[in-house]
Formats: sequence, structure tokens, C-alpha cells
Amino acid sequence: AQSVTQPDIHITVSEGASLELRCNYSYGATPYLFWYVQSPGQGLQLLLKYFSGDTLVQGIKGFEAEFKRSQSSFNLRKPSVHWSDAAEYFCAVGASYGGSQGNLIFGKGTKLSVKP
Amino acid sequence: DSGVTQTPKHLITATGQRVTLRCSPRSGDLSVYWYQQSLDQGLQFLIQYYNGEERAKGNILERFSAQQFPDLHSELNLSSLELGDSALYFCASSVEDPDTQYFGPGTRLTVL
Repeated sequence: AQSVTQPDIHITVSEGASLELRCNYSYGATPYLFWYVQSPGQGLQLLLKYFSGDTLVQGIKGFEAEFKRSQSSFNLRKPSVHWSDAAEYFCAVGASYGGSQGNLIFGKGTKLSVKP
Repeated sequence: DSGVTQTPKHLITATGQRVTLRCSPRSGDLSVYWYQQSLDQGLQFLIQYYNGEERAKGNILERFSAQQFPDLHSELNLSSLELGDSALYFCASSVEDPDTQYFGPGTRLTVL
């Protein structure tokens, strides 16, 4: 069965430091991969996505992610974190249910705290 | 703002009751998805509609049902509510399937 693992439940980084959030997936075929961010009391905002092609994808707010098939990973990175990046981050994989490949399976999320 | 709207924003009700959550997808989007977010289960896919037809079912209870209307808005009906149904319910939409899903702000359901 398809699954997504985000090994870090909570990460704290200093403002201006670099960030890497880990995501590993289990999927039998070429996956569709996404990172979403959720601020407290808010909905999910798409940061970036990978469908095919270049394995390094750029997203909004200065985020990027790299798809590594050999490691079944899709880690999210940002070179310099801002206080406004404090939120919860979800990795998701597009899965197959019936005839659809679009339904998302989410990881448990990583909560990011930013120290001044 | 994703362009997906959900009403109501908050809903407080009692056990055994029935509620309806409404979702309007982005203009032009044919596919609507419903997800439930709870502390213990995380984000789980419930059901998908595509252009009025049910396309896929996930971990949706038999007490829950959904439909997509000709104008493409969707409703999620939750009946015989239990305390454990308290959660945030998200609707998402996409142009095609599979495609990028854009999420609404959610409806927070509290069952007392």
C-alpha cells in the first residue's frame, strides 16, 4: 500500500538558518509528489509539486524539493528560514484508488518552529 | 486564497445529529475531493467526485455520503454523528484527475 513517512514530528531552526524537511514515500509506480504548508487555523497551501521531468523543483516562498527515486525521497529545503515560515508542513503522494490516481496520501506532518 | 470555498467555517452540533458541509470548487475545476483532518488520524482522503460522478472512495464511513451537483459544487453529509467525528473537513479541487489539488479553508466540526 502507498504510504508517506515524515520522520520528524517537530523541528526548530534559527531564523536565517537553512532547513531540510524529510519525506519518504512508498509507491509502486512513478509517484506524483507534493508539499503543502498549513498555518494554524488555516487550510493547506501548495508549496510545490513533482509530476515528471527535472527532479529538482522550485516552489513558492523560496522552497525547493528534490525527487530521488533511488531513495524514495522528496525532501523539502530552504536556504534561509524566515519567522513567517513557522507552520506545519505536509508531504503527500498521489495514489491509486479505483480508476483515479489523484487522491492524496499525506504524511503525519512536520511542525516547524523558528527561533529569533 | 485558493479559490475553493467552504461553508460553514465552524459547526457545533450534538451526537446523533446530521450536518451538511458545502464546497464550491475553483472555476473550471471538474474534480472535487473531501479529506478529514483529525489529531489521531491525520489527513485522510474520504471521497472524490469528477464531473458529477463518484470516482473514488477512501476511508469514508457508511454514515457519511457526498454528492456533486451539475454546477460542480459538492456537499458532504455526515449523519448519526459521534464524538469521534469532530475534525477539520477539507474540500479540494483540481482541473483534471490526476492534477494539482487546491484546498479550501476547511470546516471545523465539533460534536458535543
